[in-house]
Amino acid sequence: DAMVIQNPRYQVTQFGKPVTLSCSQTLNHNVMYWYQQKSSQAPKLLFHYYDKDFNNEADTPDNFQSRRPNTSFCFLDIRSPGLGDAAMYLCATSLRWLAGTDHYGYTFGSGTRLTVV
Amino acid sequence: SQQGEEDPQALSIQEGENATMNCSYKTSINNLQWYRQNSGRGLVHLILIRSNEREKHSGRLRVTLDTSKKSSSLLITASRAADTASYFCAITQGAQKLVFGQGTRLTINP
Repeated sequence: DAMVIQNPRYQVTQFGKPVTLSCSQTLNHNVMYWYQQKSSQAPKLLFHYYDKDFNNEADTPDNFQSRRPNTSFCFLDIRSPGLGDAAMYLCATSLRWLAGTDHYGYTFGSGTRLTVV
Repeated sequence: SQQGEEDPQALSIQEGENATMNCSYKTSINNLQWYRQNSGRGLVHLILIRSNEREKHSGRLRVTLDTSKKSSSLLITASRAADTASYFCAITQGAQKLVFGQGTRLTINP
C-alpha cells in the first residue's frame, strides 16, 4: 500500500547530540512537510519542500534543518537537541495544491517521538 | 497565525451518543479539513469541505461550514469506542500549507 513511513518510531538522544529523523513515501507526492507536535498541542509546521524547493517557516529555530535528496525521502536534522525539542515529529505529504483548486489533504506518517535526555 | 480554534477542548460522552466539535478561524479560506489523531499516532484525513459548500457527509461524519461566521462543526453520529481520539480542524494558509487548530480530545465511554 502507498504510504508515508517514518523511522524510527521512537528516538532517544542526548542533550546536544545531533539526531536525524527520516521519512519516506511511496505516494509520489511532490510536497513533503515536517511538523512538530508537543503534548496536547496542535501540530506546528517547521518547513516544507515543494519538489526540491525548500520553504522554512519564519519561526523555525536554526537548530532544525531538512534535506530532501529525492522525491521519496526527506530528513529532519536537529543539530543540537535541547530538552524543549522533545516532541512528536510528523512527516506529511501532499500533491501540489494550486490556489483556488481543491487541496486533496495530507497523508501523515505515524510520527517519531523524540526524547532528549 | 490564523489557526483554527476548536471548542470544546475535551469532550466525554457515552457510546452511541452523538459528538459535536466546533472550529472557528479568522481568515478567508478555500477549504477546511478535519483530521483525527489516535493517541501517539499520526493524523488521518477525514473530510474536506470547500468554501462554497455548506454541508458534507462521510459515513457517520457530518461537517458543516458557515463562512459568514468563519466556523465549522464536525458531528460524529452513533459514536463508538474506536472514535476515541483527538480531532483537529485545519485551514489552508498560503501555498501548500495547512495550519491546525488546537484540537478536541474526544473520549467515548463504553
